Amino acid sequence: DAKTTQPTSMDCAEGRAANLPCNHSTISGNEYVYWYRQIHSQGPQYIIHGLKNNETNEMASLIITEDRKSSTLILPHATLRDTAVYYCIVRVAQGGSEKLVFGKGTKLTVNP
Amino acid sequence: NAGVTQTPKFQVLKTGQSMTLQCAQDMNHEYMSWYRQDPGMGLRLIHYSVGAGITDQGEVPNGYNVSRSTTEDFPLRLLSAAPSQTSVYFCASSYFIGQPQHFGDGTRLSIL
Repeated sequence: DAKTTQPTSMDCAEGRAANLPCNHSTISGNEYVYWYRQIHSQGPQYIIHGLKNNETNEMASLIITEDRKSSTLILPHATLRDTAVYYCIVRVAQGGSEKLVFGKGTKLTVNP
Repeated sequence: NAGVTQTPKFQVLKTGQSMTLQCAQDMNHEYMSWYRQDPGMGLRLIHYSVGAGITDQGEVPNGYNVSRSTTEDFPLRLLSAAPSQTSVYFCASSYFIGQPQHFGDGTRLSIL
């Protein structure tokens, strides 16, 4: 299974950009990178995903390196409500089926 | 829109008791899955289903059974509860495998 490595925790000042890195050096060519976040005790929330091109939506931007071995999630103007655990996930293709394997994530704390 | 609905939200069981955690979605999603979340462990996949009548095991299936008789419902059964099954359980769904998943708010289960 493709594994991801994320820092355990990060801090960011309110209003500044939050850049969350993820390493996925064993990713295969057809595997997507997904980002979810979990605010306190709620269920995980989908943020964004991509294959090899950079992606942007209303929540965030995803920058994937050309060799696809790492990516960065960017929250352009972090707010206190963005404090959460952020999960970088590589979608695993296995025996004709696929699944998302969640790691331990990065706890992002946005400070006033 | 109700999205993914999980019941109950909280439950306390005694060792050896059985129970069913309910999960229902109203988005006509084909793919549904169950995860458990333990402190420091991230989310781990228990079972998943790619459509009505089809289920498969995730990474931690022991002690749990599932069935998928309709598109909407995907119950998780604990046949003989054990303290090691104390956890927060999340149900998720998506249109197909690999599409962004929508999560419920979780069931917090304690087994004494």
